[in-house]
Amino acid sequence: DVVMTQTPLSSPVTLGQPASISCRSSQSLVHSDGNTYLSWLQQRPGQPPRLLIYEISNRFSGVPDRFSGSGAGTDFTLTISRVEAEDVGVYYCTQGTHSPRTFGQGTKVEIK
Amino acid sequence: DVQLVESGGALVQPGGSLRVSCAVSGFTFSDYWMTWVRQSPGRGLERVATINGDGSQKYYVDSVKGRFTISRDNAKNSLYLQMNSLRAEDSAVYYCARNVRRDLDYWGQGTLVTVSS
Repeated sequence: DVVMTQTPLSSPVTLGQPASISCRSSQSLVHSDGNTYLSWLQQRPGQPPRLLIYEISNRFSGVPDRFSGSGAGTDFTLTISRVEAEDVGVYYCTQGTHSPRTFGQGTKVEIK
Repeated sequence: DVQLVESGGALVQPGGSLRVSCAVSGFTFSDYWMTWVRQSPGRGLERVATINGDGSQKYYVDSVKGRFTISRDNAKNSLYLQMNSLRAEDSAVYYCARNVRRDLDYWGQGTLVTVSS
């Protein structure tokens, strides 16, 4: 199975400042169809996961533009340009290129 | 609006059985693959099982093969996970999620399954 490794595991940030989370996969996530199925999920406290970013850099419906994704191959990054209080939670990367789907261990974003 | 609502979670003894359900609305259910994902403190997020639109293709994580069965009733807009021979390590919140291409775009709120004597 593809192992997804996130860093850091915890990210204390100041309101209004940027935050960045890295995700590395143990294999390339480029699918035979040419797409890269790397997505990011947000899980607020007490809530289910919610899709934020799909296929590396596409924001899902209703996701604020302060969230952006980048990367290629095996290295990916989620960036929050200016952290707001509602962004507190755990963020997961997940890959759908290889079966079975696998998830990172999560990065907790909290306010300093 | 797309909605997924799980139900059926409970406290079950080791070796017992349980069926959890997911009722969906807001989209044409039969057009979509669906997935069960579970989340526990010890194992994080784990894809448990996936089923295609007509129920003819099913995929399972190795740890549940032979014990869990995913199914769907398109007439009732419902997804199911039958869990037999439950173990302590199956304790988790179980989420249903909709597949789009190779992503999971909508998730339910989850249902808690606890396996303990």
